[in-house]
Amino acid sequence: EVQLVESGGGLVQPGGSLRLSCAASGFTFSTYWMHWVRQAPGKGLVWVSRINSDGSSTSYADSVKGRFTISRDNAKNTLYLQMNSLRAEDTAVYYCARPIVGAKHVLTHWGQGTLVTVSS
Amino acid sequence: QPVLTQSSSASASLGSSVKLTCTLSSGHSSYIIAWHQQQPGKAPRYLMKIEGSGTYNKGSGVPDRFSGSSSGADRYLTISNLQSEDEADYYCETRDSRVFGGGTKLTVL
Repeated sequence: EVQLVESGGGLVQPGGSLRLSCAASGFTFSTYWMHWVRQAPGKGLVWVSRINSDGSSTSYADSVKGRFTISRDNAKNTLYLQMNSLRAEDTAVYYCARPIVGAKHVLTHWGQGTLVTVSS
Repeated sequence: QPVLTQSSSASASLGSSVKLTCTLSSGHSSYIIAWHQQQPGKAPRYLMKIEGSGTYNKGSGVPDRFSGSSSGADRYLTISNLQSEDEADYYCETRDSRVFGGGTKLTVL
């Protein structure tokens, strides 16, 4: 069974940093693209970032470019999101998600999410 | 960059059917989209992907009551024999997962 378990969320002050993790199991992690998607309270889903299977290619939403860094450790089956210079508008539940095999899109599996709150 | 347009809300009676629409912006009518369901307080759940031809492939465990179709730039999610647990937000996704629709809140009366 595919499982994605996020961790690392919490309360952080504006300008602070946080690193999210997503532990993957039940599939060959090293062969899949992976994504981060966020959802602000009461709002819709917004794509944040993606990374290819070996970590050599990354992409970011304009709203987080230059502040967030996606990475992965295939030996540990873990996806990361390093978030720096956090702003109030980054407050959201952050989900990691896995697409269909061999493709960047069609997110077939989602984690349960981890809440990030940016507030003083 | 495509834009996905969804109605903000929909409602239908228990046991009836409802058809939700996700519309691709001009020039992107051939794109594959995916539908996701998000029940209150839960993570999203993948339902199906729909191609421009109308062919759809459902995720594991998705009930037969859920089906998909396509017409031009519109991608549809039809739910038959509505159940109370179908009350949720429904989102469509496309363009390498970088674009989501605004979501449709479905109320089961």
